[in-house]
Amino acid sequence: EAGVAQSPRYKIIEKRQSVAFWCNPISGHATLYWYQQILGQGPKLLIQFQNNGVVDDSQLPKDRFSAERLKGVDSTLKIQPAKLEDSAVYLCASSPHRGVYTEAFFGQGTRLTVV
Amino acid sequence: AQSVSQHNHHVILSEAASLELGCNYSYGGTVNLFWYVQYPGQHLQLLLKYFSGDPLVKGIKGFEAEFIKSKFSFNLRKPSVQWSDTAEYFCAVGFTGTASKLTFGTGTRLQVTL
Repeated sequence: EAGVAQSPRYKIIEKRQSVAFWCNPISGHATLYWYQQILGQGPKLLIQFQNNGVVDDSQLPKDRFSAERLKGVDSTLKIQPAKLEDSAVYLCASSPHRGVYTEAFFGQGTRLTVV
Repeated sequence: AQSVSQHNHHVILSEAASLELGCNYSYGGTVNLFWYVQYPGQHLQLLLKYFSGDPLVKGIKGFEAEFIKSKFSFNLRKPSVQWSDTAEYFCAVGFTGTASKLTFGTGTRLQVTL
């Protein structure tokens, strides 16, 4: 079974630039998550999709972050404009069922450095 | 607000030593509990999970965890660690009733020396 695919693996941008991350979840997984993991901290949920609908985006900084999941499969997370404090690893995860009664499978993450 | 605490930030053990990593959460309702591990350069992987039933759960690679409801704890244990257990360990809690949010602790970095 193929895992969660993310690209790029690394990205360095200057502040105020924009950046986009891509995620392809495990085939058939209905739920997709984007987490932000700042160095020394645990992953923080940014947004959760159920198929192509948003279930939870309460911690997404909507003035600069946006995400979409077209056709309920792939997803993109965008930051525009980036700030220094956005430097982090962005993790995508998917799970087959709605809710927390199952595990989330994680991708390798995209390490973003904003200079 | 629901929160997850891992009090051990960095643990150094010799091979064959016993391991116990603490995890506490704050929430009075029903929870689902997970331990994830992240080996150097790899993605987060599930170590074990608890949904209901026997509060002592066994996971992969000889790890186990015990859910103590009265203490809001879900500590991770291993009787004898190996050098290959060097990794970062994250406790995660799924709080029901909050749109199935999975909240992570800050993680514990385990370093096992030969």
